[in-house]
Amino acid sequence: SQQGEEDPQALSIQEGENATMNCSYKTSINNLQWYRQNSGRGLVHLILIRSNEREKHSGRLRVTLDTSKKSSSLLITASRAADTASYFCATDEMYSGGGADGLTFGKGTHLIIQP
Amino acid sequence: GAGVSQSPRYKVAKRGQDVALRCDPISGHVSLFWYQQALGQGPEFLTYFQNEAQLDKSGLPSDRFFAERPEGSVSTLKIQRTQQEDSAVYLCASSPPRPKREPDTQYFGPGTRLTVL
Repeated sequence: SQQGEEDPQALSIQEGENATMNCSYKTSINNLQWYRQNSGRGLVHLILIRSNEREKHSGRLRVTLDTSKKSSSLLITASRAADTASYFCATDEMYSGGGADGLTFGKGTHLIIQP
Repeated sequence: GAGVSQSPRYKVAKRGQDVALRCDPISGHVSLFWYQQALGQGPEFLTYFQNEAQLDKSGLPSDRFFAERPEGSVSTLKIQRTQQEDSAVYLCASSPPRPKREPDTQYFGPGTRLTVL
C-alpha cells in the first residue's frame, strides 16, 4: 500500500516560475526523500530530510518537513523545461518491522514546465 | 561509474508464462530492493535483500513472485504463471553499506516494463 498523497497530482507552469508540490504521509518516519522520474526512466534521488530537520536546501530545491502535520513540501525555484518529470516523496518508516528498509512512496506529482 | 542495470528493459509475456527479471546492483552495494510500479502510481515495495539474505518479502503480492540473490550481487525476480495484473514496471534499487542510524539513499535502475497479454 502507498503511504500517502502528493498534491497536486499534476502541475503545469511556465518556465522560470516556481513549482511547489506537497506530500502527506501517515506514520512516524525516520526520514523523507524526494525522487524525480523522467518518462521511461528510473528514479533519481533529489534530496533527503531527516525527521528532526525542518528545512533543507539543495541548489534550486527547497524541502520542508512538518512532522506534526505529517507533511512535506518540495519547492523548485526558477523552473526549467528539463524539470518536466514526475516527482515522488518517499518515507522511511520508523516502525517498519522485519528489518525492512524499503521506502514507501506516494503517487507522485506530474510536473510540466511550459517553455 | 556504472549504475544499477536491469534486463530486459521490456518484456512481453502471454498470460500463464513464467518470466525472470534481472538486476545488477552497483558494485559493493549490500542492500538490494525490488519495487513494482503500476501505471500512474508510485513504486510499491516488494522485497529486500542484505547481501544474499532476503530479510523482507512482505510486499510480494502472491506466491507466484519469487526473488533470489544467491551470491549477494545479481538478483533475479521471477514471476510464475503471469497474470494481466502483473503488468507494471519492476524497479530494482541498491544502496551502499552505511553506519547504523544513517539514512539510506537508494539508487534505482531504469526498470523492466512487463506487459502481460
